[in-house]
This record gives sequence, structure tokens and C-alpha cells, in this order.
Amino acid sequence: KAGVTQTPRYLIKTRGQQVTLSCSPISGHRSVSWYQQTPGQGLQFLFEYFSETQRNKGNFPGRFSGRQFSNSRSEMNVSTLELGDSALYLCASTAGSPGLGTQYFGPGTRLLVL
Amino acid sequence: AQSVTQLGSHVSVSEGALVLLRCNYSSSVPPYLFWYVQYPNQGLQLLLKYTSAATLVKGINGFEAEFKKSETSFHLTKPSAHMSDAAEYFCAVSDPSSGGGADGLTFGKGTHLIIQP
Repeated sequence: KAGVTQTPRYLIKTRGQQVTLSCSPISGHRSVSWYQQTPGQGLQFLFEYFSETQRNKGNFPGRFSGRQFSNSRSEMNVSTLELGDSALYLCASTAGSPGLGTQYFGPGTRLLVL
Repeated sequence: AQSVTQLGSHVSVSEGALVLLRCNYSSSVPPYLFWYVQYPNQGLQLLLKYTSAATLVKGINGFEAEFKKSETSFHLTKPSAHMSDAAEYFCAVSDPSSGGGADGLTFGKGTHLIIQP
């Protein structure tokens, strides 16, 4: 069974631009969570989607948004990019609810904002 | 609110020596606990998890961890370190009682494991 895939793997943007990252969960998994990883703040929860509904969101500004499609694939969008948005963005999928099941992570998308 | 503390941002051991990575958690409810490993330029790989069954949990690559409620700890151990174990290790906690658990994982800051030849 294929793992979690994320595209693109690397991305360079400039301040003020917007970016969309994509995540395809493990087949059959309906829950997708997103995390931001930076050297200073570590791993921080962004949001979680289950059956196309955002069920919770971490402490991030409204510039960070996401959605989930009927096939469970998910996208996250960051608008008006800031230098501090440079990070590794990780997606994780779970067979059921992430609080109850195990989250399996993709390789991440490394975003560099110049 | 939950929190995770990993003692030691860097741990160095000799090849063949015992590996001990410390993790303490804070949670108002019985938690689920996880250890993940991250190799350079890769995502997180699950090593093992505790979900209220046996307190001693065995994982992949020879790692195991013991849940100690009285000490609120979930330390990760491996009897004999290999060079391939050099990586970043993260302890994480989730709250399985949060009505379907939509709060995500709360991670520790990570411990960088260095293996000396």
C-alpha cells in the first residue's frame, strides 16, 4: 500500500506570494492533518480534516487555510507569504480519527520564502 | 492542555551502547503516546505507540518504551545502538477522549541522537 505523498517536495517563493501544497493520504484513510516544522518552534499542528470538514485548527493566522476533497486528498494554502513561513510542512493521514488512530506522515514539502 | 518534554536536545552514545531518550508528558486524561523518528530531509516514521494496553511497548528497529503513569514518562530505549540509529527522535501525545480526537498530536522539541563509532 502506497504511503502518504506530498507535492511538491521543494518550493521557493517570495514574500507576498501565495502557495498551495498537496497531500494524498494512504488509500482508505479519511483523516488528514497538517503540521509545520521549524527549527525554532518545532512541530506544530496546523489543522485536521475528516470527511471534507475541518475539525480543528492550531494557533495559526487566517493566512493558513486548507481543504479536503471527496477522495480524501487535501490541500493547504498560505497566502501573503512571510519569511517566517519558511518551514517543512508535513501531512499525516489516519484511518479513523487522529486522536484514536495512528498518524502516518508523508515526506513533507520544504518551503523557502525569500 | 497537553505538553511533552524531551530531556536533552542532543544525546551521544557509542555504537553498541544503550540508548535512552527521555520523554515526560502532561495530560489531564489518559493519553496515547508515540515515538517518531526523522531522518534528514524525510518525514516522520512511527517507531512505536502506547494506547492503554501493555505498558511496555515494542517497536521497530529494536526500540521499546515503557509507559509509567506515576512518573508521567514514556522513555525510549534500545539495548545496543547502531550507526543507522543516528536521527532526530520525537515523542508525541494525543488525547483519545476529545470526542473523536481532532486536536492533532502535541510533539516534544525532539532529541538528536548521535552515535559515536
